[in-house]
Amino acid sequence: QKEVEQNSGPLSVPEGAIASLNCTYSDRGSQSFFWYRQYSGKSPELIMSIYSNGDKEDGRFTAQLNKASQYVSLLIRDSQPSDSATYLCAVVFNQAGTALIFGKGTTLSVSS
Amino acid sequence: KAGVTQTPRYLIKTRGQQVTLSCSPISGHRSVSWYQQTPGQGLQFLFEYFSETQRNKGNFPGRFSGRQFSNSRSEMNVSTLELGDSALYLCASAGEAGEPTFRSYEQYFGPGTRLTVT
Repeated sequence: QKEVEQNSGPLSVPEGAIASLNCTYSDRGSQSFFWYRQYSGKSPELIMSIYSNGDKEDGRFTAQLNKASQYVSLLIRDSQPSDSATYLCAVVFNQAGTALIFGKGTTLSVSS
Repeated sequence: KAGVTQTPRYLIKTRGQQVTLSCSPISGHRSVSWYQQTPGQGLQFLFEYFSETQRNKGNFPGRFSGRQFSNSRSEMNVSTLELGDSALYLCASAGEAGEPTFRSYEQYFGPGTRLTVT
C-alpha cells in the first residue's frame, strides 16, 4: 500500500516569507508527483507537477524532487495571505493509471 | 473549456438508502477518478475509469461502485449507506488524447458532492 506523509501543521509564516512544505512517499518506484492547494470549502486545485529529480519553478512556487530520498517539497516565495490553504502532496497510484494517493495535507497560514 | 461538473452538490440521505452521484469530465478527458474526503482520513482514492473500464480500485468495500459511459461521464453508487459514508465525494478527470504522456497524469477536480447520512 503506497503511503504519502506530510506534516499536518499548521505552518505559520509572515507575509513575504518563504513557506516550505515537505512530503515523503513510500514507493521507491513512484514517478509522478503533484502538489494541490485546497481552500476551505473548496476542491483541490493543481498547482505543480514534477517528474524529474531537481527543481521546477513556476512563478512564486518551486517544487523539489529527490527520488533517492523519496522526498518532495514545495517552496512558496513571497508568501501572501491568499496562500493560506491546505497543501496536498500526491503521487500516482500506479503508472498504469492516473489515480492519485494523497497525503493528509499541511495547513499553511500566512499572516499579514 | 468548461471544468469538471458534479451533480448534485449536496445530498442528505438516511442510513440504509442508496445514492448515485454523477460526474462530467473536462471535454476531451478520458479518465475519471473518484475520491472520498473526510476530516479524519483525508482524500482517499475510490476508483478510476478509463474508456468505460475500471482501471484502478482503492480499498473500499463493495458497497461503493461506479461506471463510466461512452461519453466519459461517470457515476458512482453507494448502497446501504452508513453514517461513516458522510463525506465530500470528489471526481477528477485527466488524460486528453494526443497530449504528452506526463501531462495525462494531471488531474483536475470538480466541486464535489457533499453527502450527509443521517
